[in-house]
Amino acid sequence: DTAVSQTPKYLVTQMGNDKSIKCEQNLGHDTMYWYKQDSKKFLKIMFSYNNKELIINETVPNRFSPKSPDKAHLNLHINSLELGDSAVYFCASSQLGTKRQFFGPGTRLTVL
Amino acid sequence: GQQLNQSPQSMFIQEGEDVSMNCTSSSIFNTWLWYKQEPGEGPVLLIALYKAGELTSNGRLTAQFGITRKDSFLNISASIPSDVGIYFCAGHSGWYSGGGADGLTFGKGTHLIIQP
Repeated sequence: DTAVSQTPKYLVTQMGNDKSIKCEQNLGHDTMYWYKQDSKKFLKIMFSYNNKELIINETVPNRFSPKSPDKAHLNLHINSLELGDSAVYFCASSQLGTKRQFFGPGTRLTVL
Repeated sequence: GQQLNQSPQSMFIQEGEDVSMNCTSSSIFNTWLWYKQEPGEGPVLLIALYKAGELTSNGRLTAQFGITRKDSFLNISASIPSDVGIYFCAGHSGWYSGGGADGLTFGKGTHLIIQP
């Protein structure tokens, strides 16, 4: 069974649209994250979230918002998509305190 | 923000050779991790290091947490074709016993290419 799963795997959309990426983990972890990987493969933290706090990387535009319906899910909503949002987005999870993060397979977002 | 300098950027080696790569930082990290990413996949955790000076192995992989807490090394012995991929170092500055839910800082990756 997949530990951290994301849907969709690929997302192609027009500029200005609003889209969501879903993430689920079945590891029983209490902390989840979203990362962005650019075309040069550089991985950068966007958000980290547990049931107590949301930590936002200050460089992330407020068009991006994480939403967690429960401990096993952290979805990423993106409003008014821009060309520069094209990237691969990875969800990850960990048990707070261990720092061992486990990643999902990624969602490749292409904005046309 | 914190930055990790990972080198080399890419390596072209022959099957059977040993591989070494490293990461350095201008600031202290309290946890170092090494990941491998293959095309179309997410990063997979290889080794986690929690204490300065710690040396940990995972099969043919060996990683060390530098004494200064500002660097880490990954060695792969007797490389095989399936070792091909991008290897990332990642650091976390929070304390192991707790700290915030902030994310990892990643290096820019080492592309490992193995020539038959």
